[in-house]
Amino acid sequence: QLQLQESGPGLVKPSETLSLTCTVSGGSINSNTYYWGWIRQPPGKGLEWIGSVYYSGSTFYNPSLKSRVTISVDTSKNQFSLRLGSVTAADTAVYYCARHPILVPDFDYWGQGTLVTVSS
Amino acid sequence: EIVLTQSPATLSLSPGERATLSCRASQSVSSYLAWYQQKPGQAPRLLIYDASNRATGIPARFSGSGSGTDFTLTISSLEPEDFAVYYCQQRSKWPGFTFGGGTKVEI
Repeated sequence: QLQLQESGPGLVKPSETLSLTCTVSGGSINSNTYYWGWIRQPPGKGLEWIGSVYYSGSTFYNPSLKSRVTISVDTSKNQFSLRLGSVTAADTAVYYCARHPILVPDFDYWGQGTLVTVSS
Repeated sequence: EIVLTQSPATLSLSPGERATLSCRASQSVSSYLAWYQQKPGQAPRLLIYDASNRATGIPARFSGSGSGTDFTLTISSLEPEDFAVYYCQQRSKWPGFTFGGGTKVEI
């Protein structure tokens, strides 16, 4: 059974960089069949796609966040990562990692999510 | 950017009743629309993809319909575990996704 698990600091200071890692188990990230994405959800609000990465390292970002986001993949560790720079309180959210197949790229497997709070 | 508007914001129903949720797109998304269910403290779960196809393991009481700009998620007979928030999501301009604001189905 495929599992995804987010990890990283739960508290980040304003203007600093948020860094999260998603570890994939029960399947290989080194597959030409899937993309791997990040989605966030501010407390009590809706969902926002941040960006996605392919096993080759190709990336796709939400235009509204593109200037601050970097997503990378480490196939040797079966992980992919998110970096979001210059954070503000508006970036406080639960961050999810998820898989989406290439043929029908909707999110079929999700991590449990991790809350990141931006505060001094 | 394609905006998805979900209605109603809240739907108050009882177990056994039929639920009809709407998602309207600001421009055509063809059939590239998905529905997710989210329960408190949990990640979303994919219910429907490509407007009308149930994802693996999703009960037959969930059905989706529509194309272009108007879509519907129907739960034919609500079970207690169906009370949750439902989101629609489009991918017509992949790479890129947008989500609707959600509909809460409450008792």
